[in-house]
Amino acid sequence: NIVMTQSPKSMSISVGDRVTMNCKASQNVGNNIAWYQQKPGQSPKLLIYYASNRYTGVPDRFTGGGYGTDFTLTINSVQAEDAAFYYCQRIYNSPNTFGAGTKLELK
Amino acid sequence: QIQLVQSGPELKKPGESVKISCKASGYTFTDYAMHWVKQAPGKGLKWMGWINTYTGKPTYADDFKGRFVFSLEASASTANLQISNLKNEDTATYFCARSILYFDYWGQGVMVTVSS
Repeated sequence: NIVMTQSPKSMSISVGDRVTMNCKASQNVGNNIAWYQQKPGQSPKLLIYYASNRYTGVPDRFTGGGYGTDFTLTINSVQAEDAAFYYCQRIYNSPNTFGAGTKLELK
Repeated sequence: QIQLVQSGPELKKPGESVKISCKASGYTFTDYAMHWVKQAPGKGLKWMGWINTYTGKPTYADDFKGRFVFSLEASASTANLQISNLKNEDTATYFCARSILYFDYWGQGVMVTVSS
């Protein structure tokens, strides 16, 4: 089964910084990746689908990229409200495996 | 507006069963698959599987074959998750999420606590 590996596990960033987090698939998934944001006590929220498509209402400081096995989520000019866990997920084909997540903390 | 409203928290003993519901509104229920996701306390998201809301056919992830059953009450636009023979490791929040390929709407989650 496919494994989604996210890195780093956590990062501490200052407001206004640019941050990039990574997701690596154990096999070629094309562009069939989604990214979600989850804050404590809340349901996950869709940010990006098909690797680089921003979902409705998602601020344009969130950018997804990559193809095949290596994917990135970049947040330009991080805001305080971006402190959360971020998960990548393989979509389109089963299993719809999630990565273990990256925790973004604000300094 | 589109909503997935899940049932309330559950406290169960090991060996018991639990049934969680996910009621959809604001869209045509059978146009979207319904997926289930487990999140143990302090842990990440784990995909459990999905049910085809048009045919009723369920598909289970490997770790969720046997004690887990997805079902529908299509006339009520509701998807259900039943877990039998509960174990301590089933303690988690369970989310439903609708999908046309990506998960765009999620339920609020149901906390299931298994404790003797």
